[in-house]
Amino acid sequence: AAGVIQSPRHLIKEKRETATLKCYPIPRHDTVYWYQQGPGQDPQFLISFYEKMQSDKGSIPDRFSAQQFSDYHSELNMSSLELGDSALYFCASSPPPVMGPYEQYFGPGTRLTVT
Amino acid sequence: DAKTTQPPSMDCAEGRAANLPCNHSTISGNEYVYWYRQIHSQGPQYIIHGLKNNETNEMASLIITEDRKSSTLILPHATLRDTAVYYCIVTETMYSGGGADGLTFGKGTHLIIQP
Repeated sequence: AAGVIQSPRHLIKEKRETATLKCYPIPRHDTVYWYQQGPGQDPQFLISFYEKMQSDKGSIPDRFSAQQFSDYHSELNMSSLELGDSALYFCASSPPPVMGPYEQYFGPGTRLTVT
Repeated sequence: DAKTTQPPSMDCAEGRAANLPCNHSTISGNEYVYWYRQIHSQGPQYIIHGLKNNETNEMASLIITEDRKSSTLILPHATLRDTAVYYCIVTETMYSGGGADGLTFGKGTHLIIQP
C-alpha cells in the first residue's frame, strides 16, 4: 500500500540558511500534519492542514511556515536555521472525515542537521 | 486533551504477551484512547484506538476499564520487532470544528522484548 512520502530524507544546512521539507500524503488523504522530534525527545506537533487550510497549530516557531497545495502535498519552510532546529521532521496524513476518529499515518521522516 | 501516565520502560520475553498500562484519570466523555508506537527513529505507527469498549485488531488488543480512567494495550505474542516506544494518547475525535488536531505525545513506555 502507498505510504506517506517525505523528501529529502536527509538534509544538512548551515546556521541562518533556509530549508524546505516536502510531504506527499497517501492518495485520497486530504489532511497533513507536521511533527518535530529532537534528539532523545518525543515527537512534538507543529501544524496541520485540512483541505488546504491551516487547521491546528502547535509549537511551530515563527521562523517556520507551511502550506498545503492543491494536490494536497505540503511543504514546511524553515528560515534562519538554528542549531536547535536539528531534528527529525515527520509528516503524517489522514483520510477525509466521514464520522468519528481517524488515525494518522506517518512518513519516514526527514533528518535535518544544522551545522 | 487529557494527560496520560505510562511507565517509562518494561521488559517482556519473546513469545509472551506484553501488557502496557496507561493511566488517563482525567479523560472526558468524548475523548478516545489511541496507541501509537515508534520503532527507533522511524515514523510513529498507529496501533489501535477505542472509546469505551474493548477493541482488537491484527496488531493488538485494547482493554479500557469501565470508568475509562485507565487502559491496557496487549500485544499477544511479542516478538523482537515489537521493541519500541509505545505512546498512549487521549484526544477528542480528530476532526473538531472542521479542523484536524495534532497528537500530543507524552513520554511513552520503552518496551524491550528479550530473546
